[in-house]
Order: sequence, then structure tokens, then C-alpha cells
Amino acid sequence: EVLLVESGGGLVQPGGSLRLSCAASGFTFSSYSMNWVRQAPGKGLEWVSYISSSSSTIYYADSVKGRFTISRDNAQNSLYLQMNSLRAEDTAVYYCARRSHQTDAFDIWGQGTMVTGSS
Amino acid sequence: QSALTQPASVSGSPGQSITISCTGTSSDVGSYNLVSWYQQHPGKAPKLMIYEDSQRPSGVSNRFSGSKSANTASLTISGLQAEDEADYYCCSYAGSTTYVFGTGTKVTVL
Repeated sequence: EVLLVESGGGLVQPGGSLRLSCAASGFTFSSYSMNWVRQAPGKGLEWVSYISSSSSTIYYADSVKGRFTISRDNAQNSLYLQMNSLRAEDTAVYYCARRSHQTDAFDIWGQGTMVTGSS
Repeated sequence: QSALTQPASVSGSPGQSITISCTGTSSDVGSYNLVSWYQQHPGKAPKLMIYEDSQRPSGVSNRFSGSKSANTASLTISGLQAEDEADYYCCSYAGSTTYVFGTGTKVTVL
């Protein structure tokens, strides 16, 4: 079964840091580009970051550029999101999502992990 | 990176057809054949329903169809069923490997 499982969410004070992880299984992780997408409570989806299969290409949404860092470990079938200088507006469920080269869309999603930025 | 514009809500009776619009710009929706649509039930992860403007992944009901004209994409659900009640989001490639989602539409089956 193709599966993505996020972890690492929690409560963090504004200005703090958190590292999210996404464990992949059931497919050849190293062959796919990956993304982080977030959803604030009661709000819509927002694309956060992209990393290519080999980590050679990385992009960020303007809202997180300079504060968040995406990375991956293909040997461990894992995706990461290092979140620094967290703000209240970063409060959201964070999903990792596979970008399929067959469909050129986000075809597999994890269940999400909740990040709450609050003092 | 402004969000694509969708109606906040659309409703229909069982068996009817409804259409959700998704309006972007010539820099995103109008430039690429890469609009996708996602269904999200409360408390669940999004599910891919349409990709490349009008293609349906295997396993998705043929009651779901997508189309696009200029800067506006559309998702049509025909033969509306109770299980279709959910939030729907469009998404477009926006260049330089960035993506933009729509504002989301809540579909209610009356």
C-alpha cells in the first residue's frame, strides 16, 4: 500500500522551531518529487514547498521563504520540513504530498500533522 | 501567488449536475494544462479527482469531469450523490515549480 505518514507537529511558541517528518512506503520514494501543503483551521489549502527527487531543485511559497527548509533522505524514504521563526499564522495542518510524473498532480497525501503557533 | 477564485458554496439535489468554477490568471490557469481538482471530506486528507485539466485518475467515478477555457477551469459533478458532499479545491501550476490552490468550494447535497 502506498502510504505517507507525517509526524513532528505540536505546540510551539512564536519565534520557535519545529521539524516535521514524512515517512513514505509502498513506492520508490527516490523517483518522485515531494511537496508540503498546509491548511489553516477552517481555511483552504496552501502550497508550501517543493523538492525534486534528487533534491537538486527546491522552491518555497513567499509566505515561508527564508524561514522554512525542505529536505529529504532517499535512503530513509523520508521527507522533512524544518520550520524556524514560527508565527501564529503558520498554525495549520501540514500535509506531505507526492507529485506524480504520470499525472503531474498531487496524487498521494499523508493524513497531516497539526502545528500550533501560540504563546 | 494569489489564490485562485472559487465560489464559496454550490448546492444541488441528488441526481442533478453542478459545476464549480476556478478562475486564475494568464500566469497560471491560462498558461498551463495543469489544473487539478481535489475532494476533501471533513477531517480527511485531500483526494485527487481530476488532473491535467480534464483527466480522471483510475478509480475516480466518471461522474466527475473537468474542463478549461482561457483562465477559468471547471469541475462538473453529474448525478450528484450524498457522498459527493465535501469541499473541493482546484490547483494550478504557476511556473518555476510553484503551485497555487483555489479558495475552496463547499458542495452541499440538498
